Amino acid sequence: GESVGLHLPTLSVQEGDNSIINCAYSNSASDYFIWYKQESGKGPQFIIDIRSNMDKRQGQRVTVLLNKTVKHLSLQIAATQPGDSAVYFCAEGSPNDYKLSFGAGTTVTVRA
Amino acid sequence: DAGVTQSPTHLIKTRGQQVTLRCSPKSGHDTVSWYQQALGQGPQFIFQYYEEEERQRGNFPDRFSGHQFPNYSSELNVNALLLGDSALYLCASSLGWGLTEAFFGQGTRLTVV
Repeated sequence: GESVGLHLPTLSVQEGDNSIINCAYSNSASDYFIWYKQESGKGPQFIIDIRSNMDKRQGQRVTVLLNKTVKHLSLQIAATQPGDSAVYFCAEGSPNDYKLSFGAGTTVTVRA
Repeated sequence: DAGVTQSPTHLIKTRGQQVTLRCSPKSGHDTVSWYQQALGQGPQFIFQYYEEEERQRGNFPDRFSGHQFPNYSSELNVNALLLGDSALYLCASSLGWGLTEAFFGQGTRLTVV
């Protein structure tokens, strides 16, 4: 079956550095991808999304890159701050399918 | 602008009991999806409601049922609770047809003892 996974379960980053969180997906039919941030005790918070007709999209301090050839998605966070410490999930969606499929998440810890 | 609100925030139930969880979508949204998130895992899709009907269902038993009301709010019902149903239950709202950005509530933490 389809699955969405992340390359690394944990990531430790120095405050002020850039973070890169990776995600591999297996469903080549997926055409919508979304990144969420989840802090302890809270629901997932939307960060940024991208459709398969794009390979890059930028938001405030974040950039999502999509490589459909190798079915890889990444989230780049510029100038990482302590408030960026959280679990990050990538999720995918497919045509005619209303659900989002989530991976297990990457825990990001920002060191002061 | 109110975001997605869920109630209650925490709940403890006994095995075999029934539970109802509630969700109010973000203002302007008409679609509600429910997800189950076990500890340390990503959310798993339970089902989605649109126009008061279940539009799609994930791999969950019939013990899990839902409802959407004319004001777009939704309920998730779980019958005959099992210990394994202990999880964070998340509601997500979105707008209309197809996949668009979905906003999540803070979740209901259900503990079955």
